Amino acid sequence: EAQVTQNPRYLITVTGKKLTVTCSQNMNHEYMSWYRQDPGLGLRQIYYSMNVEVTDKGDVPEGYKVSRKEKRNFPLILESPSPNQTSLYFCASSVTGGLNTEAFFGQGTRLTVV
Amino acid sequence: GQQLNQSPQSMFIQEGEDVSMNCTSSSIFNTWLWYKQEPGEGPVLLIALYKAGELTSNGRLTAQFGITRKDSFLNISASIPSDVGIYFCAGLHTGGFKTIFGAGTRLFVKA
Repeated sequence: EAQVTQNPRYLITVTGKKLTVTCSQNMNHEYMSWYRQDPGLGLRQIYYSMNVEVTDKGDVPEGYKVSRKEKRNFPLILESPSPNQTSLYFCASSVTGGLNTEAFFGQGTRLTVV
Repeated sequence: GQQLNQSPQSMFIQEGEDVSMNCTSSSIFNTWLWYKQEPGEGPVLLIALYKAGELTSNGRLTAQFGITRKDSFLNISASIPSDVGIYFCAGLHTGGFKTIFGAGTRLFVKA
């Protein structure tokens, strides 16, 4: 089954404790991206990757890092989480980021930073 | 960062009614997308629009790419309870690697 898998689904952590949210897709997609969803703001793009070792900032990259060492994985790293990073996070992948825009989303990771 | 203006924010309707929602932007997009998100799930693509003026249907859903390329609307006809969810518009510029989402329209359908 074609899918995007995020882990964990729920995470509560403390300020400053480094964490990684994993994202994996089994569709051999080139393009992957991370979003955060906050009430009243919709989804805002954090980072995206057009292929292995190619990443770029989205609209809200501050406080986040990503890496794309393999095509299927695109982890989101919070080196020093802060309470304003409490949010619902989605990973998405698509064949390309261009006109072929059917993006498949993971089920989300709800992060709480206390 | 740039955002799309999506309206209305929420709608409470009776089963069987038609629904209309729209998105506007101050800048031009080359692609408009409409997604639906159900509770506990990620967004799912409903309709993609690639040309100004394009009108596309997917079952009871119809979406149009505005001729100015700065707006798009989504209509749902004869709503049913399973239409409940949050509907997002999204736009892509030339090159299409950055996706901008609207804030969403939360739809409630009363049986």
